[in-house]
Parts: sequence; C-alpha cells; structure tokens
Amino acid sequence: NAGVTQTPKFRVLKTGQSMTLLCAQDMNHEYMYWYRQDPGMGLRLIHYSVGEGTTAKGEVPDGYNVSRLKKQNFLLGLESAAPSQTSVYFCASSYRGAGGLQETQYFGPGTRLLVL
Amino acid sequence: AQSVTQPDIHITVSEGASLELRCNYSYGATPYLFWYVQSPGQGLQLLLKYFSGDTLVQGIKGFEAEFKRSQSSFNLRKPSVHWSDAAEYFCAVGAGSAGTALIFGKGTTLSVSS
Repeated sequence: NAGVTQTPKFRVLKTGQSMTLLCAQDMNHEYMYWYRQDPGMGLRLIHYSVGEGTTAKGEVPDGYNVSRLKKQNFLLGLESAAPSQTSVYFCASSYRGAGGLQETQYFGPGTRLLVL
Repeated sequence: AQSVTQPDIHITVSEGASLELRCNYSYGATPYLFWYVQSPGQGLQLLLKYFSGDTLVQGIKGFEAEFKRSQSSFNLRKPSVHWSDAAEYFCAVGAGSAGTALIFGKGTTLSVSS
C-alpha cells in the first residue's frame, strides 16, 4: 500500500514549456486534490475532483488544467509554464463519507517545480 | 469565510522542554480540525484530528491538541520535545462539504535547540 505517490519529484522547466504532474493513490479514495505550497503562504487549492470524470476549480486555478480519467489518478497540467508557477505541488486524496472522513486528507510527497 | 491563523511563524524550544503551538480558526459551525507536520523536503503527515466528542485529542508522536470552542482555538501540545520534532506544523480546518479543500494556516516552523 503506497498511499499517495507523485511523479516526478523534481522538474526544471523553461518559460513557455508544458508538463504534466501525475498523482496516483491506491486507497480507493473518491476525492483528490492538487495544492501548491509557497513560502509563507501555506497550502492553496488549485483544483479538485469528487470522482472519476469530474473536476472543479479551487482557489488558484489559473494556468493549470486537470483530468481524472481513472479513479486512482489525478493529473495536473501546465500548458505554458511561467516563473510564478515555481512552487511545490502536493496531491492529496480522501474518502467520500460523513463524519469527517472526506475531510481527512492524505498527502503525497510533493513535486518541486522550478520555472526559469 | 473560513480561515485559520497560526500566530507564531517560528518557535525555538529546547530539547526536553514542553511545546505549545497556537491555532485559531474562524468558522460558523463546529469545524473539523487537523494538525499536520511537514519535515524538510517531505509531504504532510497527519498528526491528529478533531471531529466531535472529547475536546482533548491524542495524536501520533506524543502530540495532543485541545479544542476550545469559546476561544476558537485548537492548540497543539507536547510535554517533552525531541530534536526530531523540528519541522513545520500546519493547522487546518475542514469546511464539511463534499470535495472542498482544507483551509490551512500559514504554518509554524519549530526549531529544537540542544
């Protein structure tokens, strides 16, 4: 049981390049999330998904797209990277359920992205 | 709107001393509250959570937190800090709606001196 995994761990991009970050979870979770973490800002939600084939915008969605074609995977895409997207990206997942289950999120190890 | 405030950006504690990290939240109803820890270069690990019931919750690694509704607080405590506790600590509140994000505080960095 690997939990939540993220690929790649680290990437350097040039401005204007594109890339896709992959998140995979093996806990059969319904909900998945992408956050970015910047110094002094805590974690901010980019996009999230409440199930296969469904996605929604979070607090800072501009410049990113997501897809959830399979329940266990949640992809985050940058179509044209900008220096402002230099950050650490975390994926998380949670169960669907009442009583706090869906609020208990499990995080991956993160992807460090540097855009030059 | 929900919000979480961690008033202390950085705290230094001597090894073996007690620790208290402060967290205040703003939320209309009874919140779901969490503490996460992040070691350098690592992801976030759940320390403990409060949903309902006993307002003193125990977590992993000897941590505990107390929910005080009257003060809108959920402070994290540990009686004796170890050098391995040096990390960044995040308090978060869950909004209780399907698929919504946790609202995180900006974090408190804990340094442990010998």
